[in-house]
Amino acid sequence: DTAVSQTPKYLVTQMGNDKSIKCEQNLGHDTMYWYKQDSKKFLKIMFSYNNKELIINETVPNRFSPKSPDKAHLNLHINSLELGDSAVYFCASSRGEITEAFFGQGTRLTVV
Amino acid sequence: GDSVTQMEGPVTLSEEAFLTINCTYTATGYPSLFWYVQYPGEGLQLLLKATKADDKGSNKGFEATYRKETTSFHLEKGSVQVSDSAVYFCALSDQGDSSYKLIFGSGTRLLVRP
Repeated sequence: DTAVSQTPKYLVTQMGNDKSIKCEQNLGHDTMYWYKQDSKKFLKIMFSYNNKELIINETVPNRFSPKSPDKAHLNLHINSLELGDSAVYFCASSRGEITEAFFGQGTRLTVV
Repeated sequence: GDSVTQMEGPVTLSEEAFLTINCTYTATGYPSLFWYVQYPGEGLQLLLKATKADDKGSNKGFEATYRKETTSFHLEKGSVQVSDSAVYFCALSDQGDSSYKLIFGSGTRLLVRP
């Protein structure tokens, strides 16, 4: 069983489109995250949710809108995609504050 | 703000060589420290962690000791294998709101040759 699963794994889309990435965890964790990994492998937090409440929004453009329908899901919707949004997006989860975070396999987004 | 600095890669070693990847941190509180590994095309996996000073995290032959006096958490392995080739990330989580995020170093690519 996959602990943290993201879909899709690959996403190729044109500039200006709107797209969503879905994330689900079956670990019973109450905190979920979105991270962005750029082409140089640098990882940066985007959002943290605890019990469906937004805890951290790390100055992400408001074209990015996370939605947490329940504690097991944290989806990421991106409006008006730009070339600079091309990256690998990772979902992760943890039990409360971070003692250990589990990561999904990543979604490689390419904007053309 | 909090930050993590790792040695730049790539690090290229022969099989059975000794590995050290340096990591130092800056934190306002009393952070927990982590090493994550990313194999090609995969997500991050926790390799080891330490939550207080002088703790040693260990897993799969890798070790790192939380050194508060030098603000360091260097990763070591006595004898690397080809299968250890991956990107290694040092990370911390601090207190308060920062306990709800991991701050990563820039990653160090390790290539082990047969």
